[in-house]
Amino acid sequence: DTGVSQDPRHKITKRGQNVTFRCDPISEHNRLYWYRQTLGQGPEFLTYFQNEAQLEKSRLLSDRFSAERPKGSFSTLEIQRTEQGDSAMYLCASSPRSESGYEQYFGPGTRLTVT
Amino acid sequence: QKEVEQNSGPLSVPEGAIASLNCTYSDRVSQSFFWYRQYSGKSPELIMSIYSNGDKEDGRFTAQLNKASQYVSLLIRDSQPSDSATYLCAVLYNFNKFYFGSGTKLNVKP
Repeated sequence: DTGVSQDPRHKITKRGQNVTFRCDPISEHNRLYWYRQTLGQGPEFLTYFQNEAQLEKSRLLSDRFSAERPKGSFSTLEIQRTEQGDSAMYLCASSPRSESGYEQYFGPGTRLTVT
Repeated sequence: QKEVEQNSGPLSVPEGAIASLNCTYSDRVSQSFFWYRQYSGKSPELIMSIYSNGDKEDGRFTAQLNKASQYVSLLIRDSQPSDSATYLCAVLYNFNKFYFGSGTKLNVKP
């Protein structure tokens, strides 16, 4: 068990560009979450997958954000036409099957800076 | 909007003392509660989960849940300087969506 991994760890992009982040959950964890965290705030829920199905999506997630989890393994989060307000840490977390509990484990995050 | 409230701190305690961190939440149907520790520049690390009223102990950590008062707390006994971090309270709604508080910063002074 190598934990949740995220790639890249840091991303600097210019306003208007598209960016894509990848998350690899802990193996056999069927639930996967994306969060955004800004300085001084707790993680803010973006979206949730159970296997390959996206079951919950925050209303904060604008049309510029999209997430996928093909085949229920890794997940990608894409931000189109980035804005300076998108600068944040993007966190991914995974959870085992519900009968095992609801604890979620976070990856190291991807820090996005939009210039 | 579900609310999870924490005092932002900083909470300062001397080494060896008990640190008490508190969290209140707004939705009575919440089922599961979690405490995370987050060091500066790092991602949150799970400390404890608690699902039923009462106390749950794990080493130096004790989580306390009172659903009637919509209140969950974390006690850290024999606080160490390495415990200095931001502590996040998280609440699970409908078994699929987590809400986090903004965290309480703890400073443990040697």
